[in-house]
Amino acid sequence: EDKVVQSPLSLVVHEGDTVTLNCSYEVTNFRSLLWYKQEKKAPTFLFMLTSSGIEKKSGRLSSILDKKELFSILNITATQTGDSAVYLCAVERVKTSGSRLTFGEGTQLTVNP
Amino acid sequence: DGGITQSPKYLFRKEGQNVTLSCEQNLNHDAMYWYRQDPGQGLRLIYYSQIVNDFQKGDIAEGYSVSREKKESFPLTVTSAQKNPTAFYLCASSIDRGDRLRYGYTFGSGTRLTVV
Repeated sequence: EDKVVQSPLSLVVHEGDTVTLNCSYEVTNFRSLLWYKQEKKAPTFLFMLTSSGIEKKSGRLSSILDKKELFSILNITATQTGDSAVYLCAVERVKTSGSRLTFGEGTQLTVNP
Repeated sequence: DGGITQSPKYLFRKEGQNVTLSCEQNLNHDAMYWYRQDPGQGLRLIYYSQIVNDFQKGDIAEGYSVSREKKESFPLTVTSAQKNPTAFYLCASSIDRGDRLRYGYTFGSGTRLTVV
C-alpha cells in the first residue's frame, strides 16, 4: 500500500520567515512526486518532481526530491500572509491500469503579519 | 480557456437518495479521477479512468459508481450504499505526454456534498 507522510501537520510563522515542509513516501513503481497548494477549494499545482537532486523553483518557492531517501522538501522563503494554505504532497505510481496519485494529509501553514 | 468544470458547487441530499456529480474537461486529457476530501485530511482516490469506457476502483470505491462514455466527461454517482457521503469531492485530469511536468494533474473547483 502506498504511503505519504507529511510533516509538520501544522505550522505558524511570521511574515518574512522561511519554512521547510517535509514529505516522505513509500510507493511501488514510483513515477513522480507533486506539490499542491490548497486554499479552501481546488488544489493549485506547484511542482512535479521526477529526478533526484534537481531543484525546481518558482519565485519564493522551491522543491527538491531525494529518490534514494524517499523524501522531498518544499521551501518557502520570505513568507507572506498569502502563503497561508494547506500544502499537499502526492506521489504518482504507475500501474497496468494507469497512473494515479496518493496524497499525504497536508501541512496547514499559517503566516501571521 | 481550458479547464475542468464541476457542478454543482454545493449539493444537499436526503439519506437514501442517489446523487450524481458532474465533471467535464476541455483539456483533451486522457485520464480522469475522482477524489474525496474530509475536513483536515488529504485526498483519497475513489475511481479513475485512463480511457473511454474503462475505469478502475481507487482506495474507497464502495458506495460510488462512475461512467466514462466520453473523453470529456466523468460523472460520479454517490449511491445510498455510501454510509458517510458528506464530503468535498474533487475531480482531476492528467495528460501522459507533452507539458505534464509543467501542469501536473489539474483539479476542478469541487462539489461540497451534504447529507441532510
